[in-house]
Amino acid sequence: DAKTTQPNSMESNEEEPVHLPCNHSTISGTDYIHWYRQLPSQGPEYVIHGLTSNVNNRMASLAIAEDRKSSTLILHRATLRDAAVYYCILRDVSGGGSNYKLTFGKGTLLTVNP
Amino acid sequence: DTEVTQTPKHLVMGMTNKKSLKCEQHMGHRAMYWYKQKAKKPPELMFVYSYEKLSINESVPSRFSPECPNSSLLNLHLHALQPEDSALYLCASSQGGWGLNEKLFFGSGTQLSVL
Repeated sequence: DAKTTQPNSMESNEEEPVHLPCNHSTISGTDYIHWYRQLPSQGPEYVIHGLTSNVNNRMASLAIAEDRKSSTLILHRATLRDAAVYYCILRDVSGGGSNYKLTFGKGTLLTVNP
Repeated sequence: DTEVTQTPKHLVMGMTNKKSLKCEQHMGHRAMYWYKQKAKKPPELMFVYSYEKLSINESVPSRFSPECPNSSLLNLHLHALQPEDSALYLCASSQGGWGLNEKLFFGSGTQLSVL
């Protein structure tokens, strides 16, 4: 299974941009890159996903390297409410083909300073 | 309504007890998931139901017994648990098309303590 590598922790200041990196050097051609985050005392929350092209939504942007071996989640203006564990995940095919798993790695703990 | 509701929020049980965790969604999703999360660790997949049929069992011990009575409900029956089973149990749902675009919606979890 393709794996992801993220820094254990990062710090940011409020209202500044945050770039969260993720390495996935063994990514396959059909793996989508998903990002979820988990705020304290809550379940994980979908943030964004992409395949090859950069993606934007109201929460964040996802920049994907041309060789797809790495990606970066960009929070344009961090707020205190963005303090969470951010997980970079490759969608995974389980067993014979039609089932897909979402397998979480260790994630990055983002601290946002006021 | 984009909520996945889990009950109870907290549960304390003895090793000889039988209890059940409940999960409910009304988004019309046809795939439902149980994850287990130990403190300061990432969630680990336990079971996946697709169209009310068990699709994935990640070699979970038989003291955990999932049930999907209909497309909106998912239960996890617990029996003869061990203290090391104490964890946050998360339920999630997704549309169930099994496309790689699938997004999972998670509940807030049940914090389980086994004494």
